[in-house]
Amino acid sequence: DIQLTQSPSFLSASVGDRVTITCRASQDIRSYLAWYQQKPGKAPKLLIYAASTLQSGVPSRFSGSGSGTEFTLTISSLQPEDFATYYCQQLKPFGGGTKVEIK
Amino acid sequence: EVQLVESGGGLVQPGGSLRLSCAGSGFTFDDYVMHWVRQAPGQGLEWVSGISWNSGGIAYADSVKGRFTISRDNAKSSLYLQMNSLRGEDTALYYCARGLLSSWYPFDYWGQGALVTVSS
Repeated sequence: DIQLTQSPSFLSASVGDRVTITCRASQDIRSYLAWYQQKPGKAPKLLIYAASTLQSGVPSRFSGSGSGTEFTLTISSLQPEDFATYYCQQLKPFGGGTKVEIK
Repeated sequence: EVQLVESGGGLVQPGGSLRLSCAGSGFTFDDYVMHWVRQAPGQGLEWVSGISWNSGGIAYADSVKGRFTISRDNAKSSLYLQMNSLRGEDTALYYCARGLLSSWYPFDYWGQGALVTVSS
């Protein structure tokens, strides 16, 4: 079974910072990776799929890259509404999550 | 507007059963793969099960295989999860989710969840 490992699991950052989250797959998954954002008490929201395709309505400060076994989610300039937990996914497995908090 | 609304959650004793429902609206339900995803309190996301538009393709996580059954009724735009032999580790918020563009993944719309608590 494929496993996804996210790093870091916790990240403290300031508004305006550039933030990068990494997701590593235990085997080659080509570009079959999605990223979600989840805020407390809310359902997850799809941000990016196929590793780098921005979901409709998602701000352009979010971007995804990678293929094979290593992927990144980048927020170019962190906004107050971006403080949340982020998950990567390859259908069945989800990554463990990265919580982004205010420094 | 696409909406997914779960119901049927509650408190159940270990070994008991529960049936979750998810009502879809605002889209052509039978065009889409549908899924159940759960989240234990304070924990991450775990995919539970998925079902193709015509129920011809069904998949389960190993953790629930043989105990949970996914089904759908396209005429009622509804998705179901029959959960039997429930265990404490099944305690979670259960989300219903839709596959993007009629694909198996990713999941573009999610409900707000139904809470299942397994405890004596």
